[in-house]
Amino acid sequence: KNQVEQSPQSLIILEGKNCTLQCNYTVSPFSNLRWYKQDTGRGPVSLTIMTFSENTKSNGRYTATLDADTKQSSLHITASQLSDSASYICVVSEKTGTASKLTFGTGTRLQVTL
Amino acid sequence: NAGVTQTPKFRVLKTGQSMTLLCAQDMNHEYMYWYRQDPGMGLRLIHYSVGEGTTAKGEVPDGYNVSRLKKQNFLLGLESAAPSQTSVYFCASTKATSGRQETQYFGPGTRLLVL
Repeated sequence: KNQVEQSPQSLIILEGKNCTLQCNYTVSPFSNLRWYKQDTGRGPVSLTIMTFSENTKSNGRYTATLDADTKQSSLHITASQLSDSASYICVVSEKTGTASKLTFGTGTRLQVTL
Repeated sequence: NAGVTQTPKFRVLKTGQSMTLLCAQDMNHEYMYWYRQDPGMGLRLIHYSVGEGTTAKGEVPDGYNVSRLKKQNFLLGLESAAPSQTSVYFCASTKATSGRQETQYFGPGTRLLVL
């Protein structure tokens, strides 16, 4: 069964600090890996999408890495801000004939404090 | 552009009642999806549509029906609501691209409580 596991489950950091969130997956055949940010009470918003051949992708202060051999990804947040407080969801897309089949992780809840 | 919108934002139902959730997108996307999000679980796909007039089952379709009569709208119906359908429902849409690297755009969600 395809699975996406994220760690830690939750994290509290001080404003201005960096942090790294982890994602391990067993989805096969692999198409791409996505990171989403979900603010409380809102829908997820895409941060990055990486294919098999990409091992890093940045979006502002967010940098995602992918190791397709070990089936691991990380999301690094630099110089955190209070607005980074949210859940971060790792999603892996499986190759299918038509629409992508996505497996969602349960997310890491990040709280940035003063 | 409003993007993806969902109606209603919140609803309380009694067991056995029926209702329809409406999703609308103004981005001319081909694909639309309905997910549910429950505590401690990742989003799970209920049904999806790859074009007007077509729908398909996702991972957890039981107890739900869908219709895509217009390209911009995707309706999710609950014929006889059960407490197990208490959840937050998200609609999403994407372009249809051969590379399958399309970004999914999500709506703000509908919170449903079934008593």
